[in-house]
Amino acid sequence: AQKITQTQPGMFVQEKEAVTLDCTYDTSDQSYGLFWYKQPSSGEMIFLIYQGSYDEQNATEGRYSLNFQKARKSANLVISASQLGDSAMYFCAMREPYGGSQGNLIFGKGTKLSVKP
Amino acid sequence: SQTIHQWPATLVQPVGSPLSLECTVEGTSNPNLYWYRQAAGRGLQLLFYSVGIGQISSEVPQNLSASRPQDRQFILSSKKLLLSDSGFYLCAWSATRNQPQHFGDGTRLSIL
Repeated sequence: AQKITQTQPGMFVQEKEAVTLDCTYDTSDQSYGLFWYKQPSSGEMIFLIYQGSYDEQNATEGRYSLNFQKARKSANLVISASQLGDSAMYFCAMREPYGGSQGNLIFGKGTKLSVKP
Repeated sequence: SQTIHQWPATLVQPVGSPLSLECTVEGTSNPNLYWYRQAAGRGLQLLFYSVGIGQISSEVPQNLSASRPQDRQFILSSKKLLLSDSGFYLCAWSATRNQPQHFGDGTRLSIL
């Protein structure tokens, strides 16, 4: 069974510094996708970044980058130059493989990031 | 561009009452549609997904049901709500199974 683990319930970072949010996953499949979502206090889920299991380079989207270490089954999110607006819950998710549901995501329990001014 | 609308934003219902939450997507055709529930302080749990009109798959047994009467409309229903149905319900869509899912603003459902 697939599983996503986020070991940091909460994190603090100083404004303008970088922060890494941890995510490890468990799957026996070769083809899978990894996603990070941001959920502000207002509740909406905002897609941040995607990494495919066959992608050779780490994904980057603006200040977000994904540190993908396939052998270790980790997909950590790195946020550079933190801003106060980055304070939110962050969820790591994995897409289920073919043969199962149609692209359904399995979510971790999330990490609450607080950016200090 | 594509947009997803979900309503109502908040809902307070008594135990045993019916439920209908609606989700519509604009700017795309034949999207994959999803209903998730998020308990307080937890991650998201998939409830239903749909790959086309009238095609609904359920991920967890419960007293909820879903329907897709039109290509871009996804409805979450219940005939009789339970206290355990309280939570934050999110609708999402994706163009294909490999594309990221994009979420609506969610509905906060409180059962009294």
